[in-house]
Amino acid sequence: DTGVSQDPRHKITKRGQNVTFRCDPISEHNRLYWYRQTLGQGPEFLTYFQNEAQLEKSRLLSDRFSAERPKGSFSTLEIQRTEQGDSAMYLCASSLDPRTGADTQYFGPGTRLTVL
Amino acid sequence: QKEVEQDPGPLSVPEGAIVSLNCTYSNSAFQYFMWYRQYSRKGPELLMYTYSSGNKEDGRFTAQVDKSSKYISLFIRDSQPSDSATYLCAMARDSASKIIFGSGTRLSIRP
Repeated sequence: DTGVSQDPRHKITKRGQNVTFRCDPISEHNRLYWYRQTLGQGPEFLTYFQNEAQLEKSRLLSDRFSAERPKGSFSTLEIQRTEQGDSAMYLCASSLDPRTGADTQYFGPGTRLTVL
Repeated sequence: QKEVEQDPGPLSVPEGAIVSLNCTYSNSAFQYFMWYRQYSRKGPELLMYTYSSGNKEDGRFTAQVDKSSKYISLFIRDSQPSDSATYLCAMARDSASKIIFGSGTRLSIRP
């Protein structure tokens, strides 16, 4: 396994633009999570997928945010009409290896978003 | 009041010292307790996890959970400069649930 990967690692955008991030989980992991981390704070939960089904969404996930996991593999997180308050590190995690039952959440390196 | 409280530090200790990091929490439904280490501009890396109360040891690291006091600790023995990082306590209802993190403690080990 190569670990959770995220792309891009850094994104600078202007207020009002749309941005999309991608997460590739550890191969075979069923569960995929998105978190957001601002400076000096711990990560905060945004949403969670079991395979392709989105099972939980935080109230932090306003209607400008949408996440998908179309084939139960990679996931995308889109932010529409970005605001300066969206500037943060967006982290993806995956868990649950059906082969072993191990369900520890492993995090990717994150995508750092700066909204000017 | 936050569900998980953690002293942000920073904490600076000399190399070789024993480090004690702590968190308190308010939600008695938490059953799964974790410690993550995060280096600057990197994603969190899981150090240790425990279910319910008790101790767990892994090399120089020991995690303790006291559910009666809603208090968890991480001890680092023989601390090394490479241990310098932010340490995040984290907890969840179970291993599949969303994780609730503390704000992190910045630790610096002086050579």
